[in-house]
Amino acid sequence: DTEVTQTPKHLVMGMTNKKSLKCEQHMGHRAMYWYKQKAKKPPELMFVYSYEKLSINESVPSRFSPECPNSSLLNLHLHALQPEDSALYLCASSQTGVSSYEQYFGPGTRLTVT
Amino acid sequence: ILNVEQSPQSLHVQEGDSTNFTCSFPSSNFYALHWYRWETAKSPEALFVMTLNGDEKKKGRISATLNTKEGYSYLYIKGSQPEDSATYLCAFRNSGNTPLVFGKGTRLSVIA
Repeated sequence: DTEVTQTPKHLVMGMTNKKSLKCEQHMGHRAMYWYKQKAKKPPELMFVYSYEKLSINESVPSRFSPECPNSSLLNLHLHALQPEDSALYLCASSQTGVSSYEQYFGPGTRLTVT
Repeated sequence: ILNVEQSPQSLHVQEGDSTNFTCSFPSSNFYALHWYRWETAKSPEALFVMTLNGDEKKKGRISATLNTKEGYSYLYIKGSQPEDSATYLCAFRNSGNTPLVFGKGTRLSVIA
């Protein structure tokens, strides 16, 4: 299984809602990533978990809260988002940490904040 | 801030045409250069990871070259097919401890 899955595929939420994005991989990878991509822009790294510990936080606002319950799962908890947070959120995994050559991506969750 | 540039932003080619596009990155402190192929509503798919100056990699009709001294990589597609239509992303890393920095991608449309 070389797949990274993400749920939901699409999410519409209001600015006062609390929601979560989920990411799962069963490749035995020990590093997992969240990226944010806005239209016509490159994917931007948000967080990296390595061996279930947060290793990189690219100065992301606290309304985004990552969680890594185990080595196969990565969540992104969303609260009090702004319309400008609407974007495609991509999850990725790699064998070890950022030094791994290969990153495998999920298809993304398209988030719209109203 | 590392800058990774891709050109052109988009292009349209006829089926059967060969095409190429460019990824430019800082020429100092090179670690690896990645190419991804990203079809709409699918996951970005890794095409190549290139680490050595002068590297040439090939997968079917797609190939890539790398020049780390001048800071560019070319991706070539020979005999483009409609199924090659996708966004092609490059991503650069300047050390083993730093994450990937992506370009904006080149959106390729192959017209039958």
